[in-house]
Amino acid sequence: GAVVSQHPSRVICKSGTSVKIECRSLDFQATTMFWYRQFPKQSLMLMATSNEGSKATYEQGVEKDKFLINHASLTLSTLTVTSAHPEDSSFYICSAIAGGPYNEQFFGPGTRLTVL
Amino acid sequence: AQSVAQPEDQVNVAEGNPLTVKCTYSVSGNPYLFWYVQYPNRGLQFLLKYITGDNLVKGSYGFEAEFNKSQTSFHLKKPSALVSDSALYFCAVRPPGGNTGKLIFGQGTTLQVKP
Repeated sequence: GAVVSQHPSRVICKSGTSVKIECRSLDFQATTMFWYRQFPKQSLMLMATSNEGSKATYEQGVEKDKFLINHASLTLSTLTVTSAHPEDSSFYICSAIAGGPYNEQFFGPGTRLTVL
Repeated sequence: AQSVAQPEDQVNVAEGNPLTVKCTYSVSGNPYLFWYVQYPNRGLQFLLKYITGDNLVKGSYGFEAEFNKSQTSFHLKKPSALVSDSALYFCAVRPPGGNTGKLIFGQGTTLQVKP
């Protein structure tokens, strides 16, 4: 149980285009999902907390208009990187809380974004 | 400020030897503690967690971790390392209180197990 998927697993796009990444909880409902960014051999940087039916809460320094997050249902959150630039190239990972008293996070497999 | 420290960027061990990956935290109260493993170009896989109770927690793939409140540590251990254990390991803490489920991650430790 508690499986989280991401799509696509890797994407290459041209500078200036927008890219949408999907995060799905496959066998549970997730009221809260998180989006992280990870640079090579570095830790995860929390970008935002996504709550179903409400606006995402962004961490300090993360541009809301650059990284659009939508959590339209209890099993789906999307991250759209708008007007992507090469510096947006990174590994993006989502996680979802499966509920229960400990609010344990389960992580997706990640999406490798390369902006040319 | 709340933080998690993994003092070693890399740990090298020979296959069959015991391994320890260190983690200390600075969080007030009684946090929840987690260990995750990440293989190249993959997401994080859950290894184990400490919530309450016995200080020695057993997890996946033969790993265990010992919670030490006085030293604010949660070191990951395995009695006999395998080459396939080579990966990036993250310690994480969920501070007490609140309801967001946010985690604070350490910077990660690369474990290299040599045959």
